Amino acid sequence: DAGVIQSPRHEVTEMGQEVTLRCKPISGHNSLFWYRQTMMRGLELLIYFNNNVPIDDSGMPEDRFSAKMPNASFSTLKIQPSEPRDSAVYFCASSLSQANEQFFGPGTRLTVL
Amino acid sequence: AQKITQTQPGMFVQEKEAVTLDCTYDTSDPSYGLFWYKQPSSGEMIFLIYQGSYDQQNATEGRYSLNFQKARKSANLVISASQLGDSAMYFCAMRGLLQGAQKLVFGQGTRLTINP
Repeated sequence: DAGVIQSPRHEVTEMGQEVTLRCKPISGHNSLFWYRQTMMRGLELLIYFNNNVPIDDSGMPEDRFSAKMPNASFSTLKIQPSEPRDSAVYFCASSLSQANEQFFGPGTRLTVL
Repeated sequence: AQKITQTQPGMFVQEKEAVTLDCTYDTSDPSYGLFWYKQPSSGEMIFLIYQGSYDQQNATEGRYSLNFQKARKSANLVISASQLGDSAMYFCAMRGLLQGAQKLVFGQGTRLTINP
């Protein structure tokens, strides 16, 4: 079975550009999570969805960040405009809503110059 | 609020020895779950083991076991017979188990190095 799929795996962009990260959760999972990992702050939850509905977006750092889940098999995390401090690895994870473990994708390493 | 503390930034262990990675937690939730994830140098996050706060027995998964001491609020990971492939970052995490509470809170991690 395919795991969580993220694209791109690596993204290098210049400050001010729009960045879109994509995620396809495991088929049948109805919860989706976006995390950010940095050396300074570790792993932090940005936002999560249940049944395509955003439940908790308190971790989204500011208005430059937005996330959507138009259907059960696709989600995007958008940063506009991007800044160098957004450089991090962004993980998408999915789970069955009542299950215990979250399954992580391989991550997108974002570098903003 | 929930908090996870991993006090060992790094550990070095000889191959085939057992290793214990420490994790303490703080929460006001009456029901919660504790998790361990492994992150090798390739970067992916791999789920290892889960312990529910009301589970009577410590969780085990192959060479991994979780030493859960509820009164001390600790959930240490024990890896038996360590292997070179166990070298990685290890993260302890928790979440409440109330309806809708799916947010995972992670510790800062412990970097484990297995020496041949």
